[in-house]
Amino acid sequence: GAVVSQHPSRVICKSGTSVKIECRSLDFQATTMFWYRQFPKQSLMLMATSNEGSKATYEQGVEKDKFLINHASLTLSTLTVTSAHPEDSSFYICSTDQGYLGYTFGSGTRLTVV
Amino acid sequence: DQQVKQNSPSLSVQEGRISILNCDYTNSMFDYFLWYKKYPAEGPTFLISISSIKDKNEDGRFTVFLNKSAKHLSLHIVPSQPGDSAVYFCAASAKGGSEKLVFGKGTKLTVNP
Repeated sequence: GAVVSQHPSRVICKSGTSVKIECRSLDFQATTMFWYRQFPKQSLMLMATSNEGSKATYEQGVEKDKFLINHASLTLSTLTVTSAHPEDSSFYICSTDQGYLGYTFGSGTRLTVV
Repeated sequence: DQQVKQNSPSLSVQEGRISILNCDYTNSMFDYFLWYKKYPAEGPTFLISISSIKDKNEDGRFTVFLNKSAKHLSLHIVPSQPGDSAVYFCAASAKGGSEKLVFGKGTKLTVNP
């Protein structure tokens, strides 16, 4: 099955700095990737849909200037949390949709902003 | 190496019957398990969870069973309704659920009227 590699798995950054999270589709050309934020009690919030070669589609309430998404190739989508604040501390997860082959989720990134 | 496996990519059942979705895991550190439901063009929504201290949790038409020795869990939907047609994801977490989720690849359930 397809493999989605998410990096880094853990990151600690200072308040006000930016952090980039990468999501790579290792053996599948992903024209679309999804970015989620994992909240306490395991609820998942879809943040945005990342489309290769075009602008991402953000869900309502998600600040596109704060959560920058770039999907420059069929194998890489990045999420940059800009000017991070402690309230941005969370798990961030990406996934791809391979149609009948199913969905593959990345391994998740634990962001801690201090 | 997939730590959470859903071996059936799809399942089709008749309305009113029972739907059983299965999930296997390999990591013995997992102690909290969840099921999510996903409709097209939407993010997954939480359905039901179970802690490893239990072997069954029920919420309305949905029941999750956990067999720790077999590292297996299942989701039962009774009775199945056409609106249950969706992709169902099994997920697992360690440390009582405080760690990041590890997902299976999903099972597409179709409930036929």
